Amino acid sequence: GAVVSQHPSRVICKSGTSVKIECRSLDFQATTMFWYRQFPKQSLMLMATSNEGSKATYEQGVEKDKFLINHASLTLSTLTVTSAHPEDSSFYICSARVLIGQYNSPLHFGNGTRLTVT
Amino acid sequence: SQQGEEDPQALSIQEGENATMNCSYKTSINNLQWYRQNSGRGLVHLILIRSNEREKHSGRLRVTLDTSKKSSSLLITASRAADTASYFCATSSSGNTGKLIFGQGTTLQVKP
Repeated sequence: GAVVSQHPSRVICKSGTSVKIECRSLDFQATTMFWYRQFPKQSLMLMATSNEGSKATYEQGVEKDKFLINHASLTLSTLTVTSAHPEDSSFYICSARVLIGQYNSPLHFGNGTRLTVT
Repeated sequence: SQQGEEDPQALSIQEGENATMNCSYKTSINNLQWYRQNSGRGLVHLILIRSNEREKHSGRLRVTLDTSKKSSSLLITASRAADTASYFCATSSSGNTGKLIFGQGTTLQVKP
């Protein structure tokens, strides 16, 4: 089955530093990946759509300069949280769709990254 | 932005009982999907129902879709303790990039 690998699973950083989260599709190519954020006991909030070879599309209210997304290859998208603050502490999850352009197909999710900013 | 609401927010049942979760959404959709999330983990796809379908089955799962009411339900029959998790509906809306917008989720606890 399709596997999406996300790394790291947990990271603790100090305020003001930047953190990079990687999302890889291991056995398929993903021209589009989606980044979500989840607060404790809440739902997933879509942050942005990562497009291979072009700029990411950010959802309303998400700061693109704060959450830098790079999708340099068909199997890798990265999310960098810049100048992290404690309020950025959250669970970040990436996902990808195996069938390009086939919207009637499921998303495959990574296992998420728990970010704690101290 | 969140697409819809789910109810109940939390559900606690005994093993062997059925669990029903409901989801409502606001816009027209291509399809509606249900996902499961174990605590602190990613999501696992359970079932997808297209906008032109009314009911779908997969093992112990039964999903219904009523596009006139913009609602869906997920039924888990003969529940097991291992079914304990959070369940989310997600919609793929017409004319977008295929992104999924998730509902608020239902936390299911199945007691052995």
